[in-house]
Amino acid sequence: EIVMTQSPATLSISPGERGTLSCRASQGVSSNLAWYQHKPGQAPRLLIFDTSTRATGIPARFSGSGSGTEFTLTISSLQSEDFALYYCQQYNNWPRTFGGGTKVEI
Amino acid sequence: QVQLQESGPGLVKPSETLSLTCTVSGGSITYYYWSWIRQPPGRGLEFVGYIFHTGSTNYNPSLKGRITMSVDTSKKQFSLKLSSVTSADTAVYYCASATDTNMILAFWGQGTMVTVSS
Repeated sequence: EIVMTQSPATLSISPGERGTLSCRASQGVSSNLAWYQHKPGQAPRLLIFDTSTRATGIPARFSGSGSGTEFTLTISSLQSEDFALYYCQQYNNWPRTFGGGTKVEI
Repeated sequence: QVQLQESGPGLVKPSETLSLTCTVSGGSITYYYWSWIRQPPGRGLEFVGYIFHTGSTNYNPSLKGRITMSVDTSKKQFSLKLSSVTSADTAVYYCASATDTNMILAFWGQGTMVTVSS
């Protein structure tokens, strides 16, 4: 199965700053990559699919890029509500697999 | 907006069968692919499998032989059964939906914790 590796494990950042999260696949997944946001006690939320397409209702400060094996989620100016866990997921191969997550903290 | 709610026992004994149900509201049970994802304590998310309303399924190979999914369209529910459980099956179990087999998971439940212990 494809192993997804996210870095850093924890991103400590101040509100208003730019945050960059990375996701690496153990083999190419084309552009078949999604990002999710997860806050404790809540349902995970789809942010980005097809590497760079924002899901319905997702603010423009979230953007995704990359292809093949290297992907990036960028939050242009962190808001207080953005402090959460973020997961990437590949859907190029079965089984679909997730990264271990990046915690974005203040 | 599809809403999903997991339900089932929070404690299962080793070697027994874990059974969970996900109730769907706000969307058609015949439109989406219905999936289960789990997260063991301190670990990442793991895709368990999915089912379509026709009964078509696709399971994670790591769980094949132990897993059964079903769907009840009249009740707008789908279910997961995992047999011969061990402590490694202790996890938060989420149900989620996707519009096709790519498994881009647009809607999720909040998750339910299942502990395998005697």
